[in-house]
Amino acid sequence: DAGVTQSPTHLIKTRGQQVTLRCSPKSGHDTVSWYQQALGQGPQFIFQYYEEEERQRGNFPDRFSGHQFPNYSSELNVNALLLGDSALYLCASSPLGGTSYNEQFFGPGTRLTVL
Amino acid sequence: ELKVEQNPLFLSMQEGKNYTIYCNYSTTSDRLYWYRQDPGKSLESLFVLLSNGAVKQEGRLMASLDTKARLSTLHITAAVHDLSATYFCAVDTTGTASKLTFGTGTRLQVTL
Repeated sequence: DAGVTQSPTHLIKTRGQQVTLRCSPKSGHDTVSWYQQALGQGPQFIFQYYEEEERQRGNFPDRFSGHQFPNYSSELNVNALLLGDSALYLCASSPLGGTSYNEQFFGPGTRLTVL
Repeated sequence: ELKVEQNPLFLSMQEGKNYTIYCNYSTTSDRLYWYRQDPGKSLESLFVLLSNGAVKQEGRLMASLDTKARLSTLHITAAVHDLSATYFCAVDTTGTASKLTFGTGTRLQVTL
């Protein structure tokens, strides 16, 4: 079992550009959540996808959008990048529509640097 | 708005010593999680606490939850260098484990 995988590992972009990050959940998991972790801070919830729809959203602007595919994998898109978007982006997956309190697995993350 | 605070933010301790990290949160919840993060790495789940009075132990780490006080503790016994990492608590108030509010983190450094 490969666990949660994310790509790419690292990414460098310039201000104003757009970026797409990808996540494949752990086998058997159907819910994907995305978090942003700025340097020296705790992760902050961006949004969650279940059944190909955004189910919950944190306090992030509309520049942050996502998608979930029928195979449960997910993408995070960020438009009009700002310097402040530089962070580690973590994907987490869970089973049963996210109702299993014991199981949430985090991926290795994508390190985004905006210059 | 839910706030989750940890203290201390930074902890330097000698090997063999004991210490406690505290996690306070501002809204009623009976589900709390502890994670470990090594530099540049992702989050590793340590403990899941699902009810008032829950206590879990793994090796030199022990976590407890007091939902009435809105407080969780992570106790370190006889620290060893391998425990050096950043520790986060996270609270779930939405009924699903997949939306967590994280604390500020405690960076633990264990010295010889």
